[in-house]
Amino acid sequence: KAGVTQTPRYLIKTRGQQVTLSCSPISGHRSVSWYQQTPGQGLQFLFEYFSETQRNKGNFPGRFSGRQFSNSRSEMNVSTLELGDSALYLCASSSGQRETQYFGPGTRLLVL
Amino acid sequence: EDQVTQSPEALRLQEGESSSLNCSYTVSGLRGLFWYRQDPGKGPEFLFTLYSAGEEKEKERLKATLTKKESFLHITAPKPEDSATYLCAVTRRDDKIIFGKGTRLHILP
Repeated sequence: KAGVTQTPRYLIKTRGQQVTLSCSPISGHRSVSWYQQTPGQGLQFLFEYFSETQRNKGNFPGRFSGRQFSNSRSEMNVSTLELGDSALYLCASSSGQRETQYFGPGTRLLVL
Repeated sequence: EDQVTQSPEALRLQEGESSSLNCSYTVSGLRGLFWYRQDPGKGPEFLFTLYSAGEEKEKERLKATLTKKESFLHITAPKPEDSATYLCAVTRRDDKIIFGKGTRLHILP
C-alpha cells in the first residue's frame, strides 16, 4: 500500500505571497490532518478534515486554511506569507476518526 | 493547560547501552498516547499506541509503557540505526492531539 504523499517536497516563497500544499492520503483513509513543525515549537496541529468537513482546528491565524476533496485528497493554503511561516508542513492520514495517524514526508517551506 | 513534556531533550548512548525516554502529560480526558520516531528530513513514523494505564507494547528493541501520568519508551541494547528523534503525542477525548517536543537520541557505535 502506498504511503501518504505530499507535494511539493520543497518550496521557496517571498513574504506576502500565498502557497498551496497538497496531500494524498493512504488509500481508504478518510481523515487528513495537517501539522506545522519548527525547531522552536515542535509539531503543532493545524486542522483535521474528515469526509470533506473540517472537524478540528488548532490555534493558527485565519491565513492558514485547508480543504478536502471527495477522493480524500487535501490541500492546505497559507496566504500573505510571513517569515515565521518557514517550517516543515506535515500531513497525516488515518482510516477513521480515532485511528492511528500515518505521516507523509512533509513539504519544507522557506519564506524569504 | 494541557501539555506534554518529554525528557531528556537529547541523549547520547553507546551501542548496547539500554535506557529509557520519558513522556509526562497533563491532559484533561486522555484518549490515547502515541510514540513516533522521526529521522532527519522525514515525517514521523508510527511506533506504538497506548490507551490505558498498565498497558505495554513491544517492537524489536523498543518497549512502551503507560501510567496515569507518564509513558516510558525503553530501548534495550540499542544500535546506531536507532538514532532518531522520538516523539510522544496524546489525544484528548475531543480528539485534539498534542505533541511533545521530542527526545533526540544518538547511539554511538
